[in-house]
Amino acid sequence: DQQVKQNSPSLSVQEGRISILNCDYTNSMFDYFLWYKKYPAEGPTFLISISSIKDKNEDGRFTVFLNKSAKHLSLHIVPSQPGDSAVYFCAASKTGNQFYFGTGTSLTVIP
Amino acid sequence: EPEVTQTPSHQVTQMGQEVILRCVPISNHLYFYWYRQILGQKVEFLVSFYNNEISEKSEIFDDQFSVERPDGSNFTLKIRSTKLEDSAMYFCASNQMGFTNEKLFFGSGTQLSVL
Repeated sequence: DQQVKQNSPSLSVQEGRISILNCDYTNSMFDYFLWYKKYPAEGPTFLISISSIKDKNEDGRFTVFLNKSAKHLSLHIVPSQPGDSAVYFCAASKTGNQFYFGTGTSLTVIP
Repeated sequence: EPEVTQTPSHQVTQMGQEVILRCVPISNHLYFYWYRQILGQKVEFLVSFYNNEISEKSEIFDDQFSVERPDGSNFTLKIRSTKLEDSAMYFCASNQMGFTNEKLFFGSGTQLSVL
């Protein structure tokens, strides 16, 4: 049961441009969403989150947008930097229940 | 910054052997988790642990799996008789408030290879 889907396994972006990573989910009961970033040989590290009462959350260069009607969230990175090259996972949960993760999108920022 | 530590980073074992993966969660965290990621697939929940007992487990976490907090710091995942399909990266995670709107802190993982 793929409750959280990241349909793009990889994305390449020029340094300084915007990176947009997308995530879709199927369970309308999910009320909390997170993005994690993972470098090789490291565990996922938390990046940004959003609860279902909001449609946007911003933290520096990172903004997460939530479209509940479309069951879609996206992560925008502006401007993209080479150090942003990593695998990005989205995750979703219904409060009190486990987190469901997507398969990840590998972002490469080209200098 | 405190972190979750996992040992070993790589584990190679023969099919049918027992393996124990070890984790030291962040010291003031109360909830502990194991996740795994088979190559190219999603990160999957295995089990959550609180107050010295399993609070939730997935269908993956069958009788071959067990978890234990043998002392005040370690949190272990044991696979009793490994199968080829157990080959994956296993991540330990912890947090203070469980499955609430609180992020998980992950360790760097143990890559398990079953031959």
